[in-house]
Amino acid sequence: EDKVVQSPLSLVVHEGDTVTLNCSYEVTNFRSLLWYKQEKKAPTFLFMLTSSGIEKKSGRLSSILDKKELFSILNITATQTGDSAVYLCAIYVGGTSYGKLTFGQGTILTVHP
Amino acid sequence: NAGVMQNPRHLVRRRGQEARLRCSPMKGHSHVYWYRQLPEEGLKFMVYLQKENIIDESGMPKERFSAEFPKEGPSILRIQQVVRGDSAAYFCASSHDSGTRVLVTNSPLHFGNGTRLTVT
Repeated sequence: EDKVVQSPLSLVVHEGDTVTLNCSYEVTNFRSLLWYKQEKKAPTFLFMLTSSGIEKKSGRLSSILDKKELFSILNITATQTGDSAVYLCAIYVGGTSYGKLTFGQGTILTVHP
Repeated sequence: NAGVMQNPRHLVRRRGQEARLRCSPMKGHSHVYWYRQLPEEGLKFMVYLQKENIIDESGMPKERFSAEFPKEGPSILRIQQVVRGDSAAYFCASSHDSGTRVLVTNSPLHFGNGTRLTVT
């Protein structure tokens, strides 16, 4: 069975801190890994990673994939209270005609002022 | 430029009643996915539909749950004879492309705000 495991499950930091969120996976037919941010409503897309070793950046957020060791990390630098959310890691799996996401359980990030 | 629209946002049903959850995909999207998020758990895939077709229902419980995406109108997730264990947030997502083309075009799924179902 496909498995996606995120760690830590929860994290509490202060504004300005840097955090690293982890996602490891065991899946067959891996296609790509995605990160989402969820703030009490719709998960919003952050990154999609398909190739190993290529960092994707968006402002203070960055992410990288290691397909050999089967994990990804999401870094957030200079955290702000608005970064408080659940961060979800997901894998695209499936056959050749469609894709669907297998999610991890999420990391709850709380940023205190 | 509306995103994925789900309604209702909150739905309360007593045990044994039926729940109908609606999802209107983004304009131009013809692929719809339903996910369920139980308390303290991640999102779990339920079903993937294209217009008038169920493509993959491998995540749907075998009984009481059904989904449709008619030619006209929203996609509907229907839960008959609800039980307390059905209480969860149900999210719909849509995409313009099929799964494999999504990877090529870097076009991820777009999620709605979800329907929170509470069974009393």
